[in-house]
Amino acid sequence: DGGITQSPKYLFRKEGQNVTLSCEQNLNHDAMYWYRQDPGQGLRLIYYSQIVNDFQKGDIAEGYSVSREKKESFPLTVTSAQKNPTAFYLCATLPGQSGGYTFGSGTRLTVV
Amino acid sequence: DQQVKQNSPSLSVQEGRISILNCDYTNSMFDYFLWYKKYPAEGPTFLISISSIKDKNEDGRFTVFLNKSAKHLSLHIVPSQPGDSAVYFCAASAPGNTGKLIFGQGTTLQVKP
Repeated sequence: DGGITQSPKYLFRKEGQNVTLSCEQNLNHDAMYWYRQDPGQGLRLIYYSQIVNDFQKGDIAEGYSVSREKKESFPLTVTSAQKNPTAFYLCATLPGQSGGYTFGSGTRLTVV
Repeated sequence: DQQVKQNSPSLSVQEGRISILNCDYTNSMFDYFLWYKKYPAEGPTFLISISSIKDKNEDGRFTVFLNKSAKHLSLHIVPSQPGDSAVYFCAASAPGNTGKLIFGQGTTLQVKP
């Protein structure tokens, strides 16, 4: 039963703390993506990785970091430098160069 | 700089009627477009797509129309059902082999019984 697992579903962070969001896939897809959803702004690309040990900045990479040490995993760290981290974070994979993403169920991050 | 725009934040239709969701884009290099459906607190699910070499693609109750000269696409849902109530995002595939998608802001569709 292939899919994308994002954990945790809800996450609370104190200001000034770093937090890591997990994204694991067993679809054997090469490319993985992190998007952020804010009300009224749609989905915006944070980082993406098309192959293991390589990743690229998206449109809003400031205050975030990623790693891609394994094909199955693409964790996203929200650092204290991210000024507005409260959002819904979505991880996605892509089997090839075109077609539709498969999305995870998302992580809701709230800064308290 | 919003390259993909959904200018209607919300749409309400009666069950059984047609729902038409609109999307405009600015970059003529976009060659592949997709529609996603999203329920609250869930990830989006792929609905339907269209290549720029076509002007129409149909899948059951869902049809996407593409007008390249107007840089406009639309999603038609016929007949609309209460289960169609969700947020709909259009997206364009960015030029280059990155797999990046550029999303519109989304339109919330409410189908009333």
